[in-house]
Amino acid sequence: DAKTTQPTSMDCAEGRAANLPCNHSTISGNEYVYWYRQIHSQGPQYIIHGLKNNETNEMASLIITEDRKSSTLILPHATLRDTAVYYCIVKSSGTYKYIFGTGTRLKVLA
Amino acid sequence: GAGVSQSPSNKVTEKGKDVELRCDPISGHTALYWYRQRLGQGLEFLIYFQGNSAPDKSGLPSDRFSAERTGESVSTLTIQRTQQEDSAVYLCASSLEVGGTGELFFGEGSRLTVL
Repeated sequence: DAKTTQPTSMDCAEGRAANLPCNHSTISGNEYVYWYRQIHSQGPQYIIHGLKNNETNEMASLIITEDRKSSTLILPHATLRDTAVYYCIVKSSGTYKYIFGTGTRLKVLA
Repeated sequence: GAGVSQSPSNKVTEKGKDVELRCDPISGHTALYWYRQRLGQGLEFLIYFQGNSAPDKSGLPSDRFSAERTGESVSTLTIQRTQQEDSAVYLCASSLEVGGTGELFFGEGSRLTVL
């Protein structure tokens, strides 16, 4: 029952920005947008989260549209190590369950 | 340790046998989650703990699955009479508190293969 829609797969050239979209058209006002990634054979890793303002950390930037119905995760200079499945999740602070969909498989090409 | 630790990392068992999977969360983390990930698929929520209690067990696939947590620390996921469809990676995660906006910290998973 994922509340998000993501493309199944994307390719990105090494050194270029990777822009991963996520649609969450039914998001509620108190729900945050979270991004995790899962590198092959590892557990998922937290990347970033936000409510309505754009956020940036050492890993990525998160751009949330003004109506909050979609967002984009930006990896500014993709490297081969960024090849992974990226999950977009919406969750309110009052709930406990993170629902992971099938994510976007990003392949960074040399 | 510094992160979430799971054991065994790999387990091969015969159909019908019982297995126990262990999770050591980050010290001080109140919330603990179990997920299952079948090959090529996303994460399937199984159960979560708030302290030692499990308010929501609805994700457990059948009554062959059970989990417990003791001392607000270690958790064990037990699968009785394993079936081939139980083959998957079982992932454990912990967070400082249930709810909130804190991130989940995942272990590396326990890969279960049922022959």
